[in-house]
Amino acid sequence: QSVLTQPPSASGTPGQRVTISCSGSSSNIGSNTVNWYQQFPGTAPKLLIYSNNQRPSGVPDRFSGSKSGTSASLAISGLQSEDEADYYCAAWDDSLNGVLFGGGTKLPVL
Amino acid sequence: EVQLLESGGGLVQPGGSLRLSCAASGFTFSSYVMTWVRQSPGKGLEWVSGISVSGGMTYYADSVKGRFTISRDNSKNTLDLQMNSLRAEDTAVYYCAKGSGSYYKTPLDSWGQGVLVTVSS
Repeated sequence: QSVLTQPPSASGTPGQRVTISCSGSSSNIGSNTVNWYQQFPGTAPKLLIYSNNQRPSGVPDRFSGSKSGTSASLAISGLQSEDEADYYCAAWDDSLNGVLFGGGTKLPVL
Repeated sequence: EVQLLESGGGLVQPGGSLRLSCAASGFTFSSYVMTWVRQSPGKGLEWVSGISVSGGMTYYADSVKGRFTISRDNSKNTLDLQMNSLRAEDTAVYYCAKGSGSYYKTPLDSWGQGVLVTVSS
């Protein structure tokens, strides 16, 4: 059972804006930065957003992240078919002294 | 180009042991935190363990504490995970992942392709 709570699924059509939420607590999101990972079936995860809202080189600016209090969000604007993937939030937890991942959100592009 | 290549996976009986290795190249291995993350079939990601740049500090998920040991050899650019007392619930693809810096809370910016560990009789 993940301590970071994400919706199990989200959906959108090409061109739409989709947001995925990630809810935590004071020991994780509330006191540490949030990272987001993208994973396609059968492949390794890829860092998508780090430090709440920073994009690694090569990540399109259609992807954005935000954080407020003990919650964070990933937004994808101008949704494209190639965005169909699983998305995971993650943050360090000071109580557990380790990384927590959200349960993941599956995003089909209809 | 960063490359992380895991090896050592396979089928093991419950209660058995297995040692995973990750060969790193394309970056200064000794300058980055390294971690292991696993993913059970059809499930989400689970952080397993992390290790500081020197190897002097190690971190474990409660689910593996006391059974798994992470280590690194900065002279050989390798990361290991010794897994003992394996259980069925340890069945997963295990990923070696590189931190983006030397700080233990760093995000994971490069991942290996993963190695499958199956615990079954």
